[in-house]
Amino acid sequence: GAGVSQSPSNKVTEKGKDVELRCDPISGHTALYWYRQRLGQGLEFLIYFQGNSAPDKSGLPSDRFSAERTGESVSTLTIQRTQQEDSAVYLCASSPSGGRAPYEQYFGPGTRLTVT
Amino acid sequence: AQSVTQLGSHVSVSEGALVLLRCNYSSSVPPYLFWYVQYPNQGLQLLLKYTTGATLVKGINGFEAEFKKSETSFHLTKPSAHMSDAAEYFCAVSGHTGNQFYFGTGTSLTVIP
Repeated sequence: GAGVSQSPSNKVTEKGKDVELRCDPISGHTALYWYRQRLGQGLEFLIYFQGNSAPDKSGLPSDRFSAERTGESVSTLTIQRTQQEDSAVYLCASSPSGGRAPYEQYFGPGTRLTVT
Repeated sequence: AQSVTQLGSHVSVSEGALVLLRCNYSSSVPPYLFWYVQYPNQGLQLLLKYTTGATLVKGINGFEAEFKKSETSFHLTKPSAHMSDAAEYFCAVSGHTGNQFYFGTGTSLTVIP
């Protein structure tokens, strides 16, 4: 079956512009995560959606970052007024829920964002 | 708060040699533990996970990891490295709510022919 997909795969933008990154989770997965992976570093948690619950936004680095999710489907991560330090690979993961934790995460291929 | 430490950002082994990638965690209660692998230009794939029960966990591609509570460790091993094992490996922990995952900074494995 289809895995997690992300678009675009690569995005180059000028400093100060806004960008939108998209994530299509696996059908039926109620949980969705966004991570940031800077070059040579580990994954940095950004935000977590679980069903219709309020999202866990504790990882968002600034108010320039926001994310939305429509029901249990597509999610978009928006970065406003991009800065060079926003350059990174943005990873999305989804996981099923129900039953017993832990819920295995399935990762998308990521969006490589370059801010010039 | 939980944290994960991976010792050695780069590890090189000869083909056929033992692979040992280290992971230590900090948690007030034993968490759930994971190893993920990231091949070049691909997303992360789950190698193996520990939840409860047997502390030696076997995963895909011949990898295994042992949960040692006394050492707060979850080191990843493979008896004989293969060229195709060259990748980035991430250790991760989550709490029992399954809400948030904490990843280590990763270890890049190079396999020398």
